[in-house]
Amino acid sequence: DTEVTQTPKHLVMGMTNKKSLKCEQHMGHRAMYWYKQKAKKPPELMFVYSYEKLSINESVPSRFSPECPNSSLLNLHLHALQPEDSALYLCASSTTGQLGYGYTFGSGTRLTVV
Amino acid sequence: GQQVMQIPQYQHVQEGEDFTTYCNSSTTLSNIQWYKQRPGGHPVFLIQLVKSGEVKKQKRLTFQFGEAKKNSSLHITATQTTDVGTYFCAAGRWAGSYQLTFGKGTKLSVIP
Repeated sequence: DTEVTQTPKHLVMGMTNKKSLKCEQHMGHRAMYWYKQKAKKPPELMFVYSYEKLSINESVPSRFSPECPNSSLLNLHLHALQPEDSALYLCASSTTGQLGYGYTFGSGTRLTVV
Repeated sequence: GQQVMQIPQYQHVQEGEDFTTYCNSSTTLSNIQWYKQRPGGHPVFLIQLVKSGEVKKQKRLTFQFGEAKKNSSLHITATQTTDVGTYFCAAGRWAGSYQLTFGKGTKLSVIP
């Protein structure tokens, strides 16, 4: 299995809702990432998990809460979002190591906050 | 993360013409990766360059890493309509875990 699976593919939520984005990979990658991508912009790093521990939080607002229950799963819990949070949320995974390895991205969750 | 500047922002070419996108950094990069994102799709890893002066080829795609490891380029020979998409370079650094920072990308349009 060489894929990263993200669900749901599309999500519309109100500003008072609580929702979760899910990401799963079975490639044995021990690094997993959340990126946010606005239209016509590059992906922006949000969180990095290494061996199931949060290692990087790029000053993301607390209304985004990541969770890594095990080495194959990554969640992003959403609460009290703003319309400007509407974007494509991408999950990625990679082998860990200082030399660097290519990321495998999921197809993303397209989030609309109304 | 490390900042990388990518030019041009947009490129329109006639099918069969060549295409090049450039990535530049003010600091020495440990490595650089290239990704392609088709319209409506997600980034797909193309290649990683690590060594000074490195040149790698994938069919019609040629990737270069500068001698000073501060710049990189992606060249496509004889573009095809299947090459349409946005090409991103991404600089990597180790900060307890491996972190990628993406350039702004070059959007390639190919006119049949």
